[in-house]
Amino acid sequence: KQEVTQIPAALSVPEGENLVLNCSFTDSAIYNLQWFRQDPGKGLTSLLLIQSSQREQTSGRLNASLDKSSGRSTLYIAASQPGDSATYLCAVSTQGGSEKLVFGKGTKLTVNP
Amino acid sequence: GAGVSQSPRYKVAKRGQDVALRCDPISGHVSLFWYQQALGQGPEFLTYFQNEAQLDKSGLPSDRFFAERPEGSVSTLKIQRTQQEDSAVYLCASSLTLAGENEQFFGPGTRLTVL
Repeated sequence: KQEVTQIPAALSVPEGENLVLNCSFTDSAIYNLQWFRQDPGKGLTSLLLIQSSQREQTSGRLNASLDKSSGRSTLYIAASQPGDSATYLCAVSTQGGSEKLVFGKGTKLTVNP
Repeated sequence: GAGVSQSPRYKVAKRGQDVALRCDPISGHVSLFWYQQALGQGPEFLTYFQNEAQLDKSGLPSDRFFAERPEGSVSTLKIQRTQQEDSAVYLCASSLTLAGENEQFFGPGTRLTVL
């Protein structure tokens, strides 16, 4: 059974700092890994999708890496801004079964002005 | 539409009532998912449709939960005889083709509160 863990559960940083969020998963047989952002009381916004054959994806100040063999992904946020404050969720789609996503519990990020 | 829409956005039910939650996926998307998100937790899978076929319902917590997508577009999640532990946000997502190869796009969710 696929399990996804995110560390840390919460993170508070001053504005302008670069930061890394971590995600690990137990079954390396994945189709892809997605990083999402969730604002309070809102749905999920997809940030980056990394296919299992890829090593990283970049979008603006965000960079996500994937090491499938070790079951790890990181989300790097450069020059953080107060508007980046949200909960960040990592999810994987595992081969050999339904196409469902298995989520971690998220990292709650607060960027202080 | 431009994105996945869900209705109602908020639902308050008395214990024992039946509720129906609606999802309108992105037009043309083949795959549709329902997830349940408890407070402070990540979403958990409930069920999956490919067009009108329900291919996986292994995440439905009990036989009080039922989902359908009769014409392969709009989907309804029905919960019978609601209980307090059903209180959660119910999220719908759609994907263009085989979801394992494609991004899933999420709706805003329906927040269900059972009193």
